[in-house]
Amino acid sequence: AQSVTQLDSQVPVFEEAPVELRCNYSSSVSVYLFWYVQYPNQGLQLLLKYLSGSTLVKGINGFEAEFNKSQTSFHLRKPSVHISDTAEYFCAVSGSGGSNYKLTFGKGTLLTVNP
Amino acid sequence: ETGVTQTPRHLVMGMTNKKSLKCEQHLGHNAMYWYKQSAKKPLELMFVYNFKEQTENNSVPSRFSPECPNSSHLFLHLHTLQPEDSALYLCASSPTTWAGGYGYTFGSGTRLTVV
Repeated sequence: AQSVTQLDSQVPVFEEAPVELRCNYSSSVSVYLFWYVQYPNQGLQLLLKYLSGSTLVKGINGFEAEFNKSQTSFHLRKPSVHISDTAEYFCAVSGSGGSNYKLTFGKGTLLTVNP
Repeated sequence: ETGVTQTPRHLVMGMTNKKSLKCEQHLGHNAMYWYKQSAKKPLELMFVYNFKEQTENNSVPSRFSPECPNSSHLFLHLHTLQPEDSALYLCASSPTTWAGGYGYTFGSGTRLTVV
C-alpha cells in the first residue's frame, strides 16, 4: 500500500527566507504526487502536482517541487516566503491501480512565517 | 457558481440535536468524499461515493449518516453527536474514484462544534 511521510510537523521561518517542506512517499507502482495548502478554517487547495515528464514542477504562489524517484521524495520549496504563506501543507500520492487508486495524504506540515 | 460548496460554514449543535451538512459540486464529477479533520490529527476519510453509490465506509459511527441523491450533492446527517465529534468536516470530489493525476477538489469545510 502507498504511504506518505512528511518529515516535519512544524517549520518556523522568517519572512523572505527560503523554505523547504519535505515529503517522502512509498509506493510499488507509478505515482502521481500532489501538494495541497490549507489556510486556517479553509479547505485544501491544490498547489501543484507531478504527473510525468519534467521532475521540477512549478505551482501557484511561487512554490515549486522536485520529484526524485531514486529517493522517493517530492520536496516543496519557495525561495522567499511571505507572511501570507503561513498555512498547513499536505503532500499526497496516488497510484495507477489496485489499492493505490485513492489519494493518500501525509499528516501535514505547519509552516509559520514570522516577521 | 463553480467548485465545491459546503454549507453551513459553521455549526454549533447540542448532543441531542439533529442537523445536516450539505455539499454541492458543479464540476461534473462522479465521486464524492467526506473527510473529518480534528485538531492535531491526520485527515480521516469517512465515506466515499461513486455515481451515487457508497463504495467506502471507514468504520464511521452510525450517528453519522451520509446521503448522496445524485452525483452533484452529498449530505452528512448528524444525530446524537459527542463532543469529540467537533471538527472540520471537508467534502471533496473527483472525476472518478481513481484519483490518478487529477487529485481531489475540496470545499471550504464546515466547522462543527458539539456542546
